[in-house]
Amino acid sequence: DQQVKQNSPSLSVQEGRISILNCDYTNSMFDYFLWYKKYPAEGPTFLISISSIKDKNEDGRFTVFLNKSAKHLSLHIVPSQPGDSAVYFCAAKDGGSNYKLTFGKGTLLTVNP
Amino acid sequence: NAGVTQTPKFRVLKTGQSMTLLCAQDMNHEYMYWYRQDPGMGLRLIHYSVGEGTTAKGEVPDGYNVSRLKKQNFLLGLESAAPSQTSVYFCAIKRGAETQYFGPGTRLLVL
Repeated sequence: DQQVKQNSPSLSVQEGRISILNCDYTNSMFDYFLWYKKYPAEGPTFLISISSIKDKNEDGRFTVFLNKSAKHLSLHIVPSQPGDSAVYFCAAKDGGSNYKLTFGKGTLLTVNP
Repeated sequence: NAGVTQTPKFRVLKTGQSMTLLCAQDMNHEYMYWYRQDPGMGLRLIHYSVGEGTTAKGEVPDGYNVSRLKKQNFLLGLESAAPSQTSVYFCAIKRGAETQYFGPGTRLLVL
């Protein structure tokens, strides 16, 4: 069973607009969440993270929101830029393990000029 | 890529051949990981290591073996390659409390 779900395989937005990428999880033991960005032919790059004790974390144009009751997190990119076009992976860490992450299947974001 | 290098970058194998993928780090990180990425499947953990001389199975370990004889190196072996092992393989290290950092990847094609 898939514990981390990214239900949208792709998303297309206009440059300058907001991009919202969503992630749902089922394991209530997850206590830390991360977003990675991946360009073709490169390794995933860490983008931003959030602890389960917070509901928001912001870093420049990137903000991650966590709704624990809904087991849902989202990544907001404002304003979106063409260079943001990439695959975005959501990942989660089980509180019972301090070294394993579970990844979603990814969402391909395309930002159109 | 956070001081993580992977060798080779690309390889073509015939079914039944063997090979070893090398992951090397230039820091002193304890935790190292091997993932595979397939279209529509995200990143799946193959094996991981929490320190020199230790290894453990991840989500999809069948058909692979690993070794961590030196802290800096984590090797992933395919004893008898199968077409189902065609994939992109990523090595990662854990830096800090929770965050993993990835290498550039090895593309493997098994014919």
